[in-house]
Amino acid sequence: DAKTTQPPSMDCAEGRAANLPCNHSTISGNEYVYWYRQIHSQGPQYIIHGLKNNETNEMASLIITEDRKSSTLILPHATLRDTAVYYCIVRRQGGSEKLVFGKGTKLTVNP
Amino acid sequence: AAGVIQSPRHLIKEKRETATLKCYPIPRHDTVYWYQQGPGQDPQFLISFYEKMQSDKGSIPDRFSAQQFSDYHSELNMSSLELGDSALYFCASKKPGRGVDEQYFGPGTRLTVT
Repeated sequence: DAKTTQPPSMDCAEGRAANLPCNHSTISGNEYVYWYRQIHSQGPQYIIHGLKNNETNEMASLIITEDRKSSTLILPHATLRDTAVYYCIVRRQGGSEKLVFGKGTKLTVNP
Repeated sequence: AAGVIQSPRHLIKEKRETATLKCYPIPRHDTVYWYQQGPGQDPQFLISFYEKMQSDKGSIPDRFSAQQFSDYHSELNMSSLELGDSALYFCASKKPGRGVDEQYFGPGTRLTVT
């Protein structure tokens, strides 16, 4: 699986958009970008994933650059409950593929 | 909606003892994953099962074994416990389907080895 690089920590004001970057310069053509988050000691939670087109769901938006070497997870209106560690994971889709968690970004949403 | 159930939620054992962690996947999910998260660390994959067969294996010690039963629940058996086995153990499940990917995690079992 391709390696990802994320900033160790970020801060965001409540109500503002949180933009979390991820570099994955060695991503291959059949690998997707996944985002999970872990709120303090809870089980990780799936957020969104995409291949090359931008994706949006009820939780977030995922913007993938045209060369697919980096992506940005956007939480449009961050709340205090969005404080968590956010993991960007690159992997193939389908089958019983495991998740390989890297260091992630600790996002702190401040009041 | 039903979620992944793990039991027990907390477990305290002494060195060299054994422990059994249980995972009940979401109904009709056929794939189960086990992850270990040590203090201050990120989750690390241990082992997975698809349709009751082991499908992948990560950095799981030989002292650990696991299986998935006919009702799809899974158990992680840990023997000769060491202090370093103290961690959160998460189980996740996934529903059938080639394009289906989302893993649903349980609340975890916190194992403390003293």
